[in-house]
Amino acid sequence: DSGVTQTPKHLITATGQRVTLRCSPRSGDLSVYWYQQSLDQGLQFLIQYYNGEERAKGNILERFSAQQFPDLHSELNLSSLELGDSALYFCASTGGMGDGYTFGSGTRLTVV
Amino acid sequence: QQPVQSPQAVILREGEDAVINCSSSKALYSVHWYRQKHGEAPVFLMILLKGGEQKGHEKISASFNEKKQQSSLYLTASQLSYSGTYFCGTESPGSNYQLIWGAGTKLIIKP
Repeated sequence: DSGVTQTPKHLITATGQRVTLRCSPRSGDLSVYWYQQSLDQGLQFLIQYYNGEERAKGNILERFSAQQFPDLHSELNLSSLELGDSALYFCASTGGMGDGYTFGSGTRLTVV
Repeated sequence: QQPVQSPQAVILREGEDAVINCSSSKALYSVHWYRQKHGEAPVFLMILLKGGEQKGHEKISASFNEKKQQSSLYLTASQLSYSGTYFCGTESPGSNYQLIWGAGTKLIIKP
């Protein structure tokens, strides 16, 4: 157990639907990052939160949104899903500069 | 601005050594190294900070040339468990601790 909890582990849904992915960071970590990883590809940065506030945005589609709550857990909302959204979605947390990222085990999303 | 990793892939026999390189065009504050096995999450291996500080696993060694903005990961006496894709992530001053990731180096260890 890395300390970062992601749920659900697997999700199968139809095109056009909306899903919510959840992430609880490692205890004490204030920063949360969301990444998308398509099959055998690299990590595509989506969005970063720090202590409840959005810090940076990557190549996140307008159909996707996220937030970080006062208890520091974060949710990634994906709507109007398309086949191409099928991927592994990871969240990671860190304690800050000089600290490595700790990744959750990921959510495997399959859009059919 | 994505750091360049080389080689893209390498195949080794168990017990052989490998070096994976990561090169950036931007000034760096730190370089991170992670290993990802297929279908699993990336796992933190090491962080190298400007000024020479390093944190990470004892069995992993790496170097960071701040002037050249390059880092190398050294895998010696490789074991089957070393197989996976290695990613470097670079952090530049003022980046709000957001890493820019390399495309990865796939390492295959054969018995």
